[in-house]
Amino acid sequence: AAGVIQSPRHLIKEKRETATLKCYPIPRHDTVYWYQQGPGQDPQFLISFYEKMQSDKGSIPDRFSAQQFSDYHSELNMSSLELGDSALYFCASSEGLAGERETQYFGPGTRLLVL
Amino acid sequence: AQKVTQAQTEISVVEKEDVTLDCVYETRDTTYYLFWYKQPPSGELVFLIRRNSFDEQNEISGRYSWNFQKSTSSFNFTITASQVVDSAVYFCALSEGSGGSNYKLTFGKGTLLTVNP
Repeated sequence: AAGVIQSPRHLIKEKRETATLKCYPIPRHDTVYWYQQGPGQDPQFLISFYEKMQSDKGSIPDRFSAQQFSDYHSELNMSSLELGDSALYFCASSEGLAGERETQYFGPGTRLLVL
Repeated sequence: AQKVTQAQTEISVVEKEDVTLDCVYETRDTTYYLFWYKQPPSGELVFLIRRNSFDEQNEISGRYSWNFQKSTSSFNFTITASQVVDSAVYFCALSEGSGGSNYKLTFGKGTLLTVNP
């Protein structure tokens, strides 16, 4: 079965640079979530989109922005990168059908290292 | 605010032992959803199970079983006859039934399970 695709899988950036993470949800999934997982931490919710509109926002820095496109893929844009942004970034998607919307399936994650 | 507590930070067992991972949650909603995810050393988050707040039926899937008790706000996970491949961090998570499209997950801190041969 198709899974959530994230690219790139690994990314190394310098401080103050920008980064763009991409997420391709499971086919027919219309909702995308982004999470950040620091080393040894639990994943923290950043932002979510439903049908290309932002549906909820968590602890996402103002330096970060995201959007969902017409084909339902999503991009997380991160500017003025800081050392503390080094983390594993997960994208998750869920299906629009009633009874399935609550379950999120996660991609493999993008490991970002800021030097 | 919702909260998930996994009191066990690390558990170490020997292969073939049974092991139970504890999860206690807090929420003010009457409709909510509980999950277990597995994160092996490779890093991905693997969905294991979802339970709805209105469905307290326990479930068994192979060597895995889950015990959901609303009276104690607990959703515990048992692995029977553990194997080395079960070694991973296990996260319990909660989402509230806010309706619409908002089902963001609140995770516990995770339990690192090490199964030794």
